[in-house]
Amino acid sequence: GDSVTQMEGPVTLSEEAFLTINCTYTATGYPSLFWYVQYPGEGLQLLLKATKADDKGSNKGFEATYRKETTSFHLEKGSVQVSDSAVYFCALSAYNFNKFYFGSGTKLNVKP
Amino acid sequence: DAMVIQNPRYQVTQFGKPVTLSCSQTLNHNVMYWYQQKSSQAPKLLFHYYDKDFNNEADTPDNFQSRRPNTSFCFLDIRSPGLGDAAMYLCATSRDHPATRGTDTQYFGPGTRLTVL
Repeated sequence: GDSVTQMEGPVTLSEEAFLTINCTYTATGYPSLFWYVQYPGEGLQLLLKATKADDKGSNKGFEATYRKETTSFHLEKGSVQVSDSAVYFCALSAYNFNKFYFGSGTKLNVKP
Repeated sequence: DAMVIQNPRYQVTQFGKPVTLSCSQTLNHNVMYWYQQKSSQAPKLLFHYYDKDFNNEADTPDNFQSRRPNTSFCFLDIRSPGLGDAAMYLCATSRDHPATRGTDTQYFGPGTRLTVL
């Protein structure tokens, strides 16, 4: 069945470091792919999305490219800030079965 | 701003005492979802409404019920909360069903954290 696999955390980085959080997916058909961010005690906020192969989603310095050949949607940011500390969820929207699948989440800690 | 609102943000109930959580949206979206999220886990879908059509997940306990009296509001009822039901409950909306490309983005409320004593 459809699923999303994320790298396990926590990921700890120093401010201004480069960030990559890996996400791979298994899906029948052509899903939409999403990254959501959850700050402590809050709901999920949409960070970026891509709806078809080779699309690049971007927002607030974060980017992710929908790679059909490697079934991946890795999240990247060139220079992280302390305020980026949060849990990041990769997700896919599966057309065949009307479902939204979340990865297990990756906690990011950014130290000053 | 159009948004998804959840009330209350924090709810304390006693073991076995019914509790209702509330969600409202100003996005005029057709689909509303309820998720349960336990600590350090991904959100788990309990059920969703597509307009007035209720769709229950196969593994959602009967203890959890939902009502959607109109487009804007959706309620989660927990009939007899147990200690294992303590969690964050997230409401989300989407303009259309996940089957419809481009309108399947889900927008989340801030969540209600439920404590069961």
